[in-house]
Amino acid sequence: DTAVSQTPKYLVTQMGNDKSIKCEQNLGHDTMYWYKQDSKKFLKIMFSYNNKELIINETVPNRFSPKSPDKAHLNLHINSLELGDSAVYFCASSQGRGTDTQYFGPGTRLTVL
Amino acid sequence: AQKITQTQPGMFVQEKEAVTLDCTYDTSDPSYGLFWYKQPSSGEMIFLIYQGSYDQQNATEGRYSLNFQKARKSANLVISASQLGDSAMYFCAMREGWNFNKFYFGSGTKLNVKP
Repeated sequence: DTAVSQTPKYLVTQMGNDKSIKCEQNLGHDTMYWYKQDSKKFLKIMFSYNNKELIINETVPNRFSPKSPDKAHLNLHINSLELGDSAVYFCASSQGRGTDTQYFGPGTRLTVL
Repeated sequence: AQKITQTQPGMFVQEKEAVTLDCTYDTSDPSYGLFWYKQPSSGEMIFLIYQGSYDQQNATEGRYSLNFQKARKSANLVISASQLGDSAMYFCAMREGWNFNKFYFGSGTKLNVKP
């Protein structure tokens, strides 16, 4: 059973479009995250969502909006896509307590043309 | 200042030998957690090992051990008996305090295991 899943795995789109990436976890975790990994492999946290509280990283453009219909899902919607948004986006989840180890999804490779 | 520093962009190790991947961290919060993740060429992020700031003993998980030197603020990963499948990017990460947004990754070390 996949613990953290993301769809789609690959996403190719034109500049200016709006797209969504879906994430689901079946670990019963309270906290979910979105990360962006750039072409140099640098990982940066974008959002975390814990017990209905959204914590936004201030450096993320407001074109990015996370949406959590329930504790097991945290989707990422991106408006007006730009070339610089091309990256791999990882979803992760953690218990939100204890060691708080984060478990990652397989990633979504977004390419903006 | 960088929260997590990995000074080795790339390393080579002979199969069956041990290798140490360096990681230093920067925080003034007494409560923090240190993590190592492996990212093979397939792209997924695999959790390897965790060390809490209050843990007295170094963490070990199979062939992985974390050399935690609190005074030096270092958390090096030691892989014993390297295998070809260990070839991957390795990321050191830190959770600072209990703020869920304060999770930082280093720039990674690319490990190549030679047969």
